[in-house]
Amino acid sequence: GENVEQHPSTLSVQEGDSAVIKCTYSDSASNYFPWYKQELGKGPQLIIDIRSNVGEKKDQRIAVTLNKTAKHFSLHITETQPEDSAVYFCAASRDNTGKLIFGQGTTLQVKP
Amino acid sequence: GAGVSQSPSNKVTEKGKDVELRCDPISGHTALYWYRQSLGQGLEFLIYFQGNSAPDKSGLPSDRFSAERTGGSVSTLTIQRTQQEDSAVYLCASSLYREQYFGPGTRLTVT
Repeated sequence: GENVEQHPSTLSVQEGDSAVIKCTYSDSASNYFPWYKQELGKGPQLIIDIRSNVGEKKDQRIAVTLNKTAKHFSLHITETQPEDSAVYFCAASRDNTGKLIFGQGTTLQVKP
Repeated sequence: GAGVSQSPSNKVTEKGKDVELRCDPISGHTALYWYRQSLGQGLEFLIYFQGNSAPDKSGLPSDRFSAERTGGSVSTLTIQRTQQEDSAVYLCASSLYREQYFGPGTRLTVT
């Protein structure tokens, strides 16, 4: 079945540095790739998503890139701030099913 | 506007008891999903409702798990004869298009 691998599992950066989280997926029919941020005790919050007809999407300090050939996509956070500290999840889904297949998550720590 | 709400926020139950978890989706959203998040793990798909179509139950881990969605809105996830391995956070999400918006979850503890 569909599988999504996410790396690294933990990431520690200094405030102001960039952070990159990478995911690979196995199902070549996947065409929608959202990223979620989850703070302690809360539900996941959608922060950015990308569809397979686009190679890159940016929203302020956050960007996502997609390489369909290699079946991987990445989240880039620039100018990190302490409030960016959280667990980040990537996910993938196909057109004909709504279900999201999630990666295992990355715990990002931004040190002041 | 109002987001997805779930109740209760926490539920402690004894092994063997049945539990019901409730989800109120965002008004107007036609799709509703249930996921499970075990301690320190990623999110595992359980079940998906889309409009009046038959639900996708492919993620339910056993026949002790069931869910229904009444009137195309509120959904209830029922776990019968709970086991300790059922302890997890149960998350509900709703969507109108592809973007899924999650509720805060129900933390279930089976003792």
